[in-house]
Amino acid sequence: SQTIHQWPATLVQPVGSPLSLECTVEGTSNPNLYWYRQAAGRGLQLLFYSVGIGQISSEVPQNLSASRPQDRQFILSSKKLLLSDSGFYLCAWSVAGARTDTQYFGPGTRLTVL
Amino acid sequence: GEDVEQSLFLSVREGDSSVINCTYTDSSSTYLYWYKQEPGAGLQLLTYIFSNMDMKQDQRLTVLLNKKDKHLSLRIADTQTGDSAIYFCAERYNNNDMRFGAGTRLTVKP
Repeated sequence: SQTIHQWPATLVQPVGSPLSLECTVEGTSNPNLYWYRQAAGRGLQLLFYSVGIGQISSEVPQNLSASRPQDRQFILSSKKLLLSDSGFYLCAWSVAGARTDTQYFGPGTRLTVL
Repeated sequence: GEDVEQSLFLSVREGDSSVINCTYTDSSSTYLYWYKQEPGAGLQLLTYIFSNMDMKQDQRLTVLLNKKDKHLSLRIADTQTGDSAIYFCAERYNNNDMRFGAGTRLTVKP
């Protein structure tokens, strides 16, 4: 069966510090991968998605970047965090080319920037 | 508009039925989804419906889709305290694009 992992689960970082959040998927190959941010009281905002190694699409201009160094690894980064980067970050995967393209979510990382 | 809209709060008594409503934006959306998020956790896919269906039932869950009005609802029969969570409606409107509502916080009172 497929599983998706995210770490860390929680993170508190000072403004201006770097960020690296990791997401890995097991049990599937060549998944589509996604990074979302959930702000309090708001829906999910798609930040990045990837259809393959090294292929990243950015949905919104921002302070964050994403990379996919391996087939089942997706990393969300920042060189200098802003207060507005605080939120709950969710990674998701879907089967490439599958009819339903249903997305399955990881447990999330709660980031607090102080 | 560009937003998937949901009421932010719903409170029901244990044993009653819950109905969570959603209005989506794109008439060409292919799939509509309901996700459940428990406190501090990621989103769990509850069910989805293809756009050419009017209804889908899965145990205590019933999804109704009105394409004309772009309205989606989730009914939970015999609601339990364990059903307390935030429920997100989502639409798929391109090959990989999804749009989520802000979530409805369901509170089940004993």
